Amino acid sequence: KQEVTQIPAALSVPEGENLVLNCSFTDSAIYNLQWFRQDPGKGLTSLLLIQSSQREQTSGRLNASLDKSSGRSTLYIAASQPGDSATYLCAVMFLPGVAGGTSYGKLTFGQGTILTVHP
Amino acid sequence: DADVTQTPRNRITKTGKRIMLECSQTKGHDRMYWYRQDPGLGLQLIYYSFDVKDINKGEISDGYSVSRQAQAKFSLSLESAIPNQTALYFCATSDRRVGYGYTFGSGTRLTVV
Repeated sequence: KQEVTQIPAALSVPEGENLVLNCSFTDSAIYNLQWFRQDPGKGLTSLLLIQSSQREQTSGRLNASLDKSSGRSTLYIAASQPGDSATYLCAVMFLPGVAGGTSYGKLTFGQGTILTVHP
Repeated sequence: DADVTQTPRNRITKTGKRIMLECSQTKGHDRMYWYRQDPGLGLQLIYYSFDVKDINKGEISDGYSVSRQAQAKFSLSLESAIPNQTALYFCATSDRRVGYGYTFGSGTRLTVV
């Protein structure tokens, strides 16, 4: 079964700290991986999209890496701020054609990491 | 205006009622999706559509139906709402031109009493 796991489930850090969120997936046959941010009761905001041929993507203080062979991605947040407090979701688009696999174009989500940055 | 717009934002309905959630997009994306989010269960795919003539069931389609009225519009219906359909519902779009990255709407919070 194709699954996505995020560790830790929750993280609390002081303002200014650099931090890493982890995402692992069970099948290396992926099309892309996307990181989202979700504020409580709100929609999902796309942070970074990494295609399977890429190793990393950067946007401002965010950097996401992808290692398909080991089934891992990390989201690095530099100089964290209280405004970064949210739930961070990792989502993987697996390739079709795998027995019991998902349909092409579907995202499989991790359970998320709840990040709290305190002043 | 938002790229992906969902209406209504919030809705409370009674058990047994028919309800429609609407989604429209201005991104020109071919693919549209409906997901629901429940605490502790993450996001689950209800239905998806790759173009106007293509509709596919997702993981949890029972009790739901959809209509792709146009490339830009994709509506989700609950034929006879039940309390365990209380959830946050999201519409999303993607397209080959953006590497199939997703854009989500702001969500509809549905409560069935």
